Amino acid sequence: KQEVTQIPAALSVPEGENLVLNCSFTDSAIYNLQWFRQDPGKGLTSLLLIQSSQREQTSGRLNASLDKSSGRSTLYIAASQPGDSATYLCAVTLDRLTFGEGTQLTVNP
Amino acid sequence: ETGVTQTPRHLVMGMTNKKSLKCEQHLGHNAMYWYKQSAKKPLELMFVYNFKEQTENNSVPSRFSPECPNSSHLFLHLHTLQPEDSALYLCASSRAHATNEKLFFGSGTQLSVL
Repeated sequence: KQEVTQIPAALSVPEGENLVLNCSFTDSAIYNLQWFRQDPGKGLTSLLLIQSSQREQTSGRLNASLDKSSGRSTLYIAASQPGDSATYLCAVTLDRLTFGEGTQLTVNP
Repeated sequence: ETGVTQTPRHLVMGMTNKKSLKCEQHLGHNAMYWYKQSAKKPLELMFVYNFKEQTENNSVPSRFSPECPNSSHLFLHLHTLQPEDSALYLCASSRAHATNEKLFFGSGTQLSVL
């Protein structure tokens, strides 16, 4: 059974810092990995999708990397802003989409 | 706006009530999903519909009954729920139920069962 773990569970940083969120998964035979953002009481917004054949994807200040063989992904956020405050979820696709519990990020002005 | 609309946004119901959650997508997608998000737990897949046919039921209790009348609409009918069913219920859609398709989520219905 696929398990997805995200570390840390919560992170608080001052505005302007570069930061890294971590995701690990137990079964490396995945088709893809996605990073989502969730604001309190709201649905999920897909940020980046990395196919299993890819090593990274970039969108603006976000960069996600994938190391399938070691079962790891990182989400790098450059020059963080208070508007980045949200919960970030990692999810991998094997037979279905399996989510981690998320990292709750707070960026302080 | 993701193109997936859920109503109501909030719902409070007693254990003997019957209510329904509604999801509508305006993206021309053919697959729709119900997820449950409980506090401090990962999202759990409940049901999958692909081209209006249910293709997955993730061992969900029968007090949750999904309905998909067409590819744009998905309902979740609720009856005799338990307090532990209180959670955020999220609907999602994708072009098809395939491993490389991106999911688009609604804002969810926050359900409280008293």
